[in-house]
Amino acid sequence: EAGVAQSPRYKIIEKRQSVAFWCNPISGHATLYWYQQILGQGPKLLIQFQNNGVVDDSQLPKDRFSAERLKGVDSTLKIQPAKLEDSAVYLCASSPGGEQYFGPGTRLTVT
Amino acid sequence: GENVEQHPSTLSVQEGDSAVIKCTYSDSASNYFPWYKQELGKRPQLIIDIRSNVGEKKDQRIAVTLNKTAKHFSLHITETQPEDSAVYFCAAKRSYIPTFGRGTSLIVHP
Repeated sequence: EAGVAQSPRYKIIEKRQSVAFWCNPISGHATLYWYQQILGQGPKLLIQFQNNGVVDDSQLPKDRFSAERLKGVDSTLKIQPAKLEDSAVYLCASSPGGEQYFGPGTRLTVT
Repeated sequence: GENVEQHPSTLSVQEGDSAVIKCTYSDSASNYFPWYKQELGKRPQLIIDIRSNVGEKKDQRIAVTLNKTAKHFSLHITETQPEDSAVYFCAAKRSYIPTFGRGTSLIVHP
């Protein structure tokens, strides 16, 4: 079974620039999560999709972050404009219900 | 919303010793409690989970206990090995919405 795919794996941008991350979940998984993991901390949920609908986005900084999951499969997470404090690993996970399977993450560095 | 506290933040043990990591949660509606192991630079991997209708679950050297009344759950690793060294995260889930603890860095000295 193929795992959760994410790209790019690494990204370095300057503050105020824009960046987008892509996630392809495990086939058939209805639930998709985006997490932000700052060094030394646990993953923080940014947004959760059930198929193509949003279940929870209470911790998503909506003034600069946006996410979509068109057709209930792939998802993109965008940051515009980026701030220094956005430097983190962005993890995507998918779930058939219950257990989550994480992707390898995208390490973002904002300079 | 849910709040998950995890202790200790760092745990250092000798090979062969046991290790215990504890988490508390605030939302009594949480009903699923997974534990993840994250090695340096890698993705979190589920190692064991427990649902709210069960008090204890074991899988070889790993066990998890849940006390719903006190709203805390613990990870127990017996006969620790150097390859157990990693960061361990607990999480509590309510209606499929997960909240993670801050993590425990476990160091097993050979």
